[in-house]
Amino acid sequence: DIQMTQSPSTLSASVGDRVTITCRASQSISSWLAWYQQKPGKAPKLLIYKASSLESGVPSRFSGSGSGTEFTLTISSLQPDDFATYYCQQYNSYWWTFGQGTKVEIK
Amino acid sequence: QLQLQESGPGLVKPSETLSLTCTVSGDSISSSNFYWGWIRQPPGKGLEWIGSIYHSGSTYYNPSLKSRVTISVDASKNQFSLKVSSVTAADTAVYYCARQKPYYDILTGTHYYMDVWGKGTTVTVSS
Repeated sequence: DIQMTQSPSTLSASVGDRVTITCRASQSISSWLAWYQQKPGKAPKLLIYKASSLESGVPSRFSGSGSGTEFTLTISSLQPDDFATYYCQQYNSYWWTFGQGTKVEIK
Repeated sequence: QLQLQESGPGLVKPSETLSLTCTVSGDSISSSNFYWGWIRQPPGKGLEWIGSIYHSGSTYYNPSLKSRVTISVDASKNQFSLKVSSVTAADTAVYYCARQKPYYDILTGTHYYMDVWGKGTTVTVSS
């Protein structure tokens, strides 16, 4: 299977900060990567697919980049609604795997 | 608007079989090119893909769970279902169903990502 590793595991930031989360794949997955946001007690919500494509309705402060084995999710200016846990997921094959998650906390 | 809703018992005894159903509204399982998947999340932990099914019945399972998992589809009811046998406390989790949307690449074929999720249902394994 393809292992997905996110860093950091926890991130403390303030409203207005630029935030970057990294996701690394154990082998190349081209651009077959999605990012999800999850708030406590809620289902994950799709933010980004194909590494950099913004899902409809998602604010433009979210962006994704990368290909191969290294990817980033960037929030350009952190808003109060963005404090949540973020997961990357690879869909290169028919064996889907997730990163362990990055919790974005209020500093 | 597409909606997915999980349903099933919230409490299952150890060694028994966990059974859940996902009801799809706003789209027809049998007329679309999507896969339909199950994902779970143990308390305080991350997400784990369990398995996926196409309306034709073609399935893929997480190898770590494959021996205990069965996913089936009932197109007439617009539902798909999950069964996990011989459950233990380690199967305690929130279980989500999700639609997996296709993205076609001319070189590598079709890739599916999870674009719409149900709200999830909590299943506790305990005697």
